[in-house]
Amino acid sequence: AQKVTQAQTEISVVEKEDVTLDCVYETRDTTYYLFWYKQPPSGELVFLIRRNSFDEQNEISGRYSWNFQKSTSSFNFTITASQVVDSAVYFCALRGNQGGKLIFGQGTELSVKP
Amino acid sequence: NAGVTQTPKFQVLKTGQSMTLQCAQDMNHEYMSWYRQDPGMGLRLIHYSVGAGITDQGEVPNGYNVSRSTTEDFPLRLLSAAPSQTSVYFCASRGGSGNTDTQYFGPGTRLTVL
Repeated sequence: AQKVTQAQTEISVVEKEDVTLDCVYETRDTTYYLFWYKQPPSGELVFLIRRNSFDEQNEISGRYSWNFQKSTSSFNFTITASQVVDSAVYFCALRGNQGGKLIFGQGTELSVKP
Repeated sequence: NAGVTQTPKFQVLKTGQSMTLQCAQDMNHEYMSWYRQDPGMGLRLIHYSVGAGITDQGEVPNGYNVSRSTTEDFPLRLLSAAPSQTSVYFCASRGGSGNTDTQYFGPGTRLTVL
């Protein structure tokens, strides 16, 4: 069975603080794909990043960075110098080798206060 | 490209009524999926399709039917609406013959069943 766990239900920070959103996954597939999506208050789902299981390189995109560690089955997301516009629900998701099945975590609601 | 479109954006039904949520994509994507989003539960997969004429069940298929007669369209039917089906519904699609392409989501349909 595949599972994604985002243990942090809600996080509140003050603007300019760094914040890390945790994601732990379970899968028996040797090849799999991990994703992060952002859902702002407007409700749409915005793709942020995809990571393949055979590529453990960390990635940085502006203020966003992702730390993928197969040894701990984690794919954590860090926002540096958070801004109010980062306030949203963030979802981590996993897809194995089974067609279109994308399994989501419960989501972490991030609130960035001015 | 319009991407993934969903209609209607909002819908109110009475218990026992039936309706169809429409989903269309203009990207010639093979894979299409339906998810529902409920507070604290992330997104859960209802049904998915790996190509025209092929559909399969996800995590929460009961009470819903799907069909995929064309590559572009993947409607979701509620046969007899129940209050437990009050939710936000997202349609998604992705392309590629492998598992590498990213899944893109429509804007969602907010359904209330009274």
